[in-house]
Parts: sequence; C-alpha cells; structure tokens
Amino acid sequence: KAGVTQTPRYLIKTRGQQVTLSCSPISGHRSVSWYQQTPGQGLQFLFEYFSETQRNKGNFPGRFSGRQFSNSRSEMNVSTLELGDSALYLCASSLAGDSYQPQHFGDGTRLSIL
Amino acid sequence: GIQVEQSPPDLILQEGANSTLRCNFSDSVNNLQWFHQNPWGQLINLFYIPSGTKQNGRLSATTVATERYSLLYISSSQTTDSGVYFCAVEGHSGGYQKVTFGIGTKLQVIP
Repeated sequence: KAGVTQTPRYLIKTRGQQVTLSCSPISGHRSVSWYQQTPGQGLQFLFEYFSETQRNKGNFPGRFSGRQFSNSRSEMNVSTLELGDSALYLCASSLAGDSYQPQHFGDGTRLSIL
Repeated sequence: GIQVEQSPPDLILQEGANSTLRCNFSDSVNNLQWFHQNPWGQLINLFYIPSGTKQNGRLSATTVATERYSLLYISSSQTTDSGVYFCAVEGHSGGYQKVTFGIGTKLQVIP
C-alpha cells in the first residue's frame, strides 16, 4: 500500500507570493492533517480535514487555508508569504472516523521564503 | 490546550546502551503516539499507545494514562536510532481531535 505522498518536496518562493501544497493520503484514509515544523516552534498543528470538511484548526492566521477533495486528497494554501513561513510542512493521514487511529506522515514539503 | 513535556531534550548514547525517554501530558488524552524523525526529516510512527505496554523489537513503550505519562524504551541502541523522538497526544478541542506534539528528544548514538 502506497504511503502518504506530498508534492512538491522542495519549494522556493519570495515574500508576498502564494503557494499551494498537495497531499495524497494512504488509500482508504479519510482524515488528513497538516503540520508546520520549524526549529523555533517545533511541530504545530495547522488543520484537519475529514470528508471534505475542516474538523479542527490550529492557531494560525487566515493566510493559511486548506481543502479536501472527494477522493480525500488535500491541498494547503498559504497566501501573502512571509519569511517566517519558511518551514517543513507535513501532512498526515489516518482512517479517522469516530475511533482514534494512528497517523501516518508524508515526507513533507520544505518551503523556503526568500 | 494540552501541554506535552518531553525529557530529556538531548541524549547522547554509546552504541549498545539502553535509554528511557519520557513524555508527560497535562490532561487526559484519547490517545498517544511516539514518532521517530530521522535526520532526513521523515516521521515514522513507532507506537500508537493510549494505555498499556507495547513492544516492537528493541523498542517498547508504556503509557500510564491515569498518571499522565508515557515512556519509550530503547535497548541496545544503534547508530540508526539517531534522530528526534516525538510524543504526540490527542485531546479534544471543541469536540474534535487535535494533535499536540512535544518538543522532542534529540538522540545521538555514537559508535
């Protein structure tokens, strides 16, 4: 079974631009969560999607948004990029539903803002 | 929200040594996971352990939910065990799951 796939692996942008990251979950997984990892703040929860609906959201500004498609694939968008948005963005999928399932992570997208 | 504390923050081991990593959390949780992030940034799920004890080869984990802590044991450490070990807990926030990570324990195993 294929793992969680994130694209692209690396991305360089400049301040003010916007970016879209993609995540394809493990087949059959319906929950997709996004995390930001930086040296200063560690791993922080961005949001979780289940059945095309955002179920929960972390403490990030509105410039960070996401969506989930009917095939469970998810995209994350960051608008008006700032230097502080440079980070490793990780996506995780799980079976979810009402029971609690372990999360499986992709390899991440490393975003650098110049 | 739930606070997660991991200790020690850094650990250097001689190959073959054993170690114990600790994760304390501030509130009751629905589940707890241990992850290993290798030097290339890949996060690997080690254990899904809301309570009890599990073992997988040289690694084992114990969670005592009533006392709000979990322990990860690494026996006969190898250089490939190097990396950062994260504890992540899931609590409820507004009725939905929310995963909170600790800051991690950075482990270096030297030959």
